[in-house]
Amino acid sequence: SQQGEEDPQALSIQEGENATMNCSYKTSINNLQWYRQNSGRGLVHLILIRSNEREKHSGRLRVTLDTSKKSSSLLITASRAADTASYFCATVSSGTYKYIFGTGTRLKVLA
Amino acid sequence: GAGVSQSPSNKVTEKGKDVELRCDPISGHTALYWYRQSLGQGLEFLIYFQGNSAPDKSGLPSDRFSAERTGGSVSTLTIQRTQQEDSAVYLCASSPEALAAYEQYFGPGTRLTVT
Repeated sequence: SQQGEEDPQALSIQEGENATMNCSYKTSINNLQWYRQNSGRGLVHLILIRSNEREKHSGRLRVTLDTSKKSSSLLITASRAADTASYFCATVSSGTYKYIFGTGTRLKVLA
Repeated sequence: GAGVSQSPSNKVTEKGKDVELRCDPISGHTALYWYRQSLGQGLEFLIYFQGNSAPDKSGLPSDRFSAERTGGSVSTLTIQRTQQEDSAVYLCASSPEALAAYEQYFGPGTRLTVT
């Protein structure tokens, strides 16, 4: 299976609520990145967290990383309809070039 | 500045025909990646380039797939004798270097449909 596995696979919430999605991986990493994809096209980078970091914020996004559990979470606060998209985690192992993407979480924010 | 561009945006082809997909990375980015994404699935790594060389071609699904990059810039992914299972969105991404520390910048993708 892929290095990154997100859960849940799909999430539906009301506008204004918070959305949390999780990513688990299997091997040691250099960093973990989260991406957003709208309408099955190009991905947009959201945030990168390095293996020696535990938490990172960017606007309404909060990412945590637990290397002992090999897991990460992405929290979107005060969600908006425009946040409706698929969210992917990508892990990068030390000394490598390869980004391994998970299967994604499909988020739907209802207005 | 300009982002990553891909062409065509959509391609419909008959089974057995060859197709070429093009990627124009961000100027100055030495690393270039190709991925394939089937409907509702994650991204499948195909190949990456550092400059004009492709150190790892192990992600290519079969010998019908090939890719090249010239002048450290434009890359072409070629699929020969297309099959219906090749139908997918093909995504290209670039980054400043092929190291773990960088984010990737994605193009809008080429949606390939093999009939």
